[in-house]
Amino acid sequence: DSGVTQTPKHLITATGQRVTLRCSPRSGDLSVYWYQQSLDQGLQFLIQYYNGEERAKGNILERFSAQQFPDLHSELNLSSLELGDSALYFCASSVVSQATDTQYFGPGTRLTVL
Amino acid sequence: GESVGLHLPTLSVQEGDNSIINCAYSNSASDYFIWYKQESGKGPQFIIDIRSNMDKRQGQRVTVLLNKTVKHLSLQIAATQPGDSAVYFCAENSRGTSYGKLTFGQGTILTVHP
Repeated sequence: DSGVTQTPKHLITATGQRVTLRCSPRSGDLSVYWYQQSLDQGLQFLIQYYNGEERAKGNILERFSAQQFPDLHSELNLSSLELGDSALYFCASSVVSQATDTQYFGPGTRLTVL
Repeated sequence: GESVGLHLPTLSVQEGDNSIINCAYSNSASDYFIWYKQESGKGPQFIIDIRSNMDKRQGQRVTVLLNKTVKHLSLQIAATQPGDSAVYFCAENSRGTSYGKLTFGQGTILTVHP
C-alpha cells in the first residue's frame, strides 16, 4: 500500500458525459501527479500540481482539467467523454516538486466509456 | 480485425534464476531514472532509482545499471521469485525540464515459472 488513495476504483459511463476522479496523496506529500494508462499509449503524464498550483503539464486534452485543493487532495475532471478516453487513470504523489522526488502511485481508477 | 495495442517485450524465467530487464532511453538530457513494477490490477510500485552521476546502484535483490554512452538502463533481479511476475517499467526525468514529469518506457512482462 503506497498511501495514495483514489476513488472510485471503477467508473462506467457513456460518451458525452463528465466524470470526476479523486485522489488523496500520502500524508505530508505536497505534489500530486495524474497519469493515463491505455493499451495503445502506455503510461502518459497528464499534469502535476504542487501545493495547490499547477506545476507541469503533459499531453492533457483540453476536455480534461484538474485541481488541487487546500487539503492537498486532487480531482481530475474529464468531460465530453469519448470511447478513446477509456483507460486506467493513476494519481501519484511526492514530497515536494523536484525531478528526483520518488513518485508513489495509487491503485488507479478504471474508466470505461460506452 | 487487427488488435491495437502496445506489444510488450516478454521475459520468462525459472524460479531462482537471475532476470535482466533492459530499457533504452532517447533523451540525452535525462538525469534521473526509476524502475517501477506493476502487478495486475495495481498501480506502479517504486523499485529502485539511479541518478546520472552513478553507473550502478544496488537494492535488496535488485541492481540497476546505467550506461549513459549508449543511453541504456537495466534492472537485474537476483534469485527471481514467482512474486516478481509483473510488468516492469523504466521511467526518466530531467532536472532541466518540468519538475516531476516522468516519461515511461513501454514496459516488459516478466513471468516467473515455479
